Amino acid sequence: DAKTTQPPSMDCAEGRAANLPCNHSTISGNEYVYWYRQIHSQGPQYIIHGLKNNETNEMASLIITEDRKSSTLILPHATLRDTAVYYCIAQGAQKLVFGQGTRLTINP
Amino acid sequence: DAGVIQSPRHEVTEMGQEVTLRCKPISGHDYLFWYRQTMMRGLELLIYFNNNVPIDDSGMPEDRFSAKMPNASFSTLKIQPSEPRDSAVYFCASSFTGSNEKLFFGSGTQLSVL
Repeated sequence: DAKTTQPPSMDCAEGRAANLPCNHSTISGNEYVYWYRQIHSQGPQYIIHGLKNNETNEMASLIITEDRKSSTLILPHATLRDTAVYYCIAQGAQKLVFGQGTRLTINP
Repeated sequence: DAGVIQSPRHEVTEMGQEVTLRCKPISGHDYLFWYRQTMMRGLELLIYFNNNVPIDDSGMPEDRFSAKMPNASFSTLKIQPSEPRDSAVYFCASSFTGSNEKLFFGSGTQLSVL
C-alpha cells in the first residue's frame, strides 16, 4: 500500500473551490486513489476514486497527475457543510487503510 | 436501504465488563469491516470478512477482542474483559465485490469504559 501525504489542515472560503492535495509518490500501477471524508461524529463517506484518468461525479473532481505520484481533490463550490476531515488513500487491496487526512474548514 | 446499522449508538461500561457491538450491513454486500477510531491513533482497521468468513484480523489489538459474522446480515464485535483504553468510536462498514472499495459506513458506536 502506497504511503500518502496530506497537509494536516486547510481553510477555504464558502463558495470558492477547495483544492485538497495528496502526495502518493510510491503508488504502484494497480493501486487506485480513493478519497473519503468524515464530517464530525459521523462515519467516513466515500467521495470519489480513480486509477489514472481524471474523474468527476456529483460531489467532486479528482485530478491525478500523469506520473500518478500526486492527486488533487476539487470541491468546486465549497459550502459550510463541506467542513470535514478528508482522507486520501492509495492502494489496491480490498481493505482500506486511513491516514490522518486533511481537516478542511470552510469559512463563511 | 437504511444503510449500515450499528447498535448501540453509545455504550458506557465499567472496566472488566463484557461489551458487544452489533452491525447489520447493507443487504447484498459481501464484505464487512470493523474499524476503531481514537484521537491518538485515528481510524484503524480491526478485521474484515468476505462472505461471512474472516479474511484479515491482523488489526485486532489482542485476545480480548473477537468478531463474528454468523450470517450475511449480522456481525458482532466483542470485548471481554473491557479496559479503559478500549474507549473509542467503533465503526462498521460494508461493500460488495466489484465496488472498487466503495465502503459504506455506519454511524458508529461510542464506547466509554470507565
